[in-house]
Amino acid sequence: SYVLTQPPSVSVAPGQTATITCGVKNIGSKSVHWYQQRPGQAPVVVVHDDSDRPSGIPERFSGSNSGDTATLTISRVAAGDEADYYCQVWQTSDRAVFGGGTKLAVL
Amino acid sequence: EVQLVESGGGLVRPGGSLILPCTASGFTFSSYSMAWVRQAPGKGLEWVANIEQDGTRKYYLDSVEGRFTISRDNTKNLLYLQMNSLRGEDTALYYCARVAYSYGPFDSWGQGTLVTVSS
Repeated sequence: SYVLTQPPSVSVAPGQTATITCGVKNIGSKSVHWYQQRPGQAPVVVVHDDSDRPSGIPERFSGSNSGDTATLTISRVAAGDEADYYCQVWQTSDRAVFGGGTKLAVL
Repeated sequence: EVQLVESGGGLVRPGGSLILPCTASGFTFSSYSMAWVRQAPGKGLEWVANIEQDGTRKYYLDSVEGRFTISRDNTKNLLYLQMNSLRGEDTALYYCARVAYSYGPFDSWGQGTLVTVSS
């Protein structure tokens, strides 16, 4: 089965940069989408197609994708960024897959 | 404003059935593929099924194929998930989601409806 691997948790101090990875062999050949999910809320897209930001998402959110790893980077992290983050791709079989999720803690 | 509102959740016994409707508004429903995504309590997101704009092609998570059926009524702006032979591991919050474009992100989500499978 196709498994996207994310670290379970990432911790960062306010004002610093958080890096969340999503890995599988040759993920660079796919478009990766990233979601933020705050407690009790539905997910929200923060980055789509590797590195594009929807309107309304701060420039502090950025993405990259190459080789076997896609990365979500959040610069100047603030308390409001505390949430679970998920990567997602579409398989060639037209089935979607999510990563296991990463809990971002702002210390 | 795009809105997706799920309903139909509840407590059901193992082996039972449930149908989840999702009412869409604020966009041209027939122009978008739609999907169901679930989240078990305290767990991550899991894609369940999606259906193309005209309803002709449907795709399912292996563990639900043959038990769940996704469908849509473009005349009523409704998406459905028929769930049969329910199991404990199907207990989750079920989200209805819009697919922005082919192989695009799920760009709009409902608030979810909770399905609990328990005796």
